[in-house]
Amino acid sequence: DSGVTQTPKHLITATGQRVTLRCSPRSGDLSVYWYQQSLDQGLQFLIQYYNGEERAKGNILERFSAQQFPDLHSELNLSSLELGDSALYFCASSLEGGGPGDTQYFGPGTRLTVL
Amino acid sequence: GIQVEQSPPDLILQEGANSTLRCNFSDSVNNLQWFHQNPWGQLINLFYIPSGTKQNGRLSATTVATERYSLLYISSSQTTDSGVYFCAVYTGGFKTIFGAGTRLFVKA
Repeated sequence: DSGVTQTPKHLITATGQRVTLRCSPRSGDLSVYWYQQSLDQGLQFLIQYYNGEERAKGNILERFSAQQFPDLHSELNLSSLELGDSALYFCASSLEGGGPGDTQYFGPGTRLTVL
Repeated sequence: GIQVEQSPPDLILQEGANSTLRCNFSDSVNNLQWFHQNPWGQLINLFYIPSGTKQNGRLSATTVATERYSLLYISSSQTTDSGVYFCAVYTGGFKTIFGAGTRLFVKA
């Protein structure tokens, strides 16, 4: 158990809908990262938040957004869902802002299926 | 951007055999981690190893940062070692880039 929790574990929804994925980092960790794992794209970095502020942005679509709250949990919002958004979404956390020496620990993931 | 290549893409071992997985990266990196994704999808942190050598039980890893590669050694493999092994590098822009992974199957 990494100490990172994600809810829900599974989510099935329809095209055009909007969903919210939630992540609670390990106790004391200030950074939260979101990743998407799909069969065709592999593991892709989406976005990082550090202590409530956006720190780095990867291949995140404009239909997706994220935020980190004062209690450091994070939510990833996916809107206007398409079939291709079906994937495993991981959250990770680390103690610091992601520089040298900062190890990432991954949650169990949320499996999103868009029908 | 930085490229991360892992080899081999697939590996089948008989239980008890040893193996070496390789991760090449195209530019200088701040961090490097090895992960194991088990058959249930969980990503498990194996090593944080930007340089040097580390060992944890039957697993060990070596990163030669100046030559831009890292190796993961699995000795006396067990069926529970099956899954996908990823290396991930962290660049100066705080972006994490994963390799495509090595899929390992250990036969009993």
